[in-house]
Amino acid sequence: DTAVSQTPKYLVTQMGNDKSIKCEQNLGHDTMYWYKQDSKKFLKIMFSYNNKELIINETVPNRFSPKSPDKAHLNLHINSLELGDSAVYFCASSGLPAKNIQYFGAGTRLSVL
Amino acid sequence: GEDVEQSLFLSVREGDSSVINCTYTDSSSTYLYWYKQEPGAGLQLLTYIFSNMDMKQDQRLTVLLNKKDKHLSLRIADTQTGDSAIYFCAESSSASKIIFGSGTRLSIRP
Repeated sequence: DTAVSQTPKYLVTQMGNDKSIKCEQNLGHDTMYWYKQDSKKFLKIMFSYNNKELIINETVPNRFSPKSPDKAHLNLHINSLELGDSAVYFCASSGLPAKNIQYFGAGTRLSVL
Repeated sequence: GEDVEQSLFLSVREGDSSVINCTYTDSSSTYLYWYKQEPGAGLQLLTYIFSNMDMKQDQRLTVLLNKKDKHLSLRIADTQTGDSAIYFCAESSSASKIIFGSGTRLSIRP
């Protein structure tokens, strides 16, 4: 069973569209994250949720809106997609017994045309 | 702010040892990590070390931490073709935020 799963794996869309990426974890963790990895492989945190509450919100355009319906899910909705949004988006989770260890999903490669 | 730096590329011969180096700036780091990313895959945690340790060994992997110089290294003994990947150094000073380096792409020569 995949511990942190993201869907879709690939997403190709036109500029201006709205899209969502879903993430689910079955590790019983209470904290979930979204990261963006650009074409140079730089990995930067975007958001973090703990028990469905937002705890980290880095400087991210407000076109990006995370939603956590429950502890096991953290979805990322992106409005009015731009070319610069093309990247790989990774979901991660952490929790007891090792709260400082984050487990990553396989990533969603978003291409905006 | 916090920063983690590592060289972008490393090439080693199969069977040799690989040493990937990393420096960080946050003196309050409590955990330091090495993650591995294979092509098209997510990040896999390889190993981590607490800031009060100076060495950790796990099979072919050896992590060395020099806290005074804020220097972390990962040594992979007997490097194999399956070790080809990008290796990310990372640090955290709080439970919820990890700062990643830019990744070192390790390539293996026959």
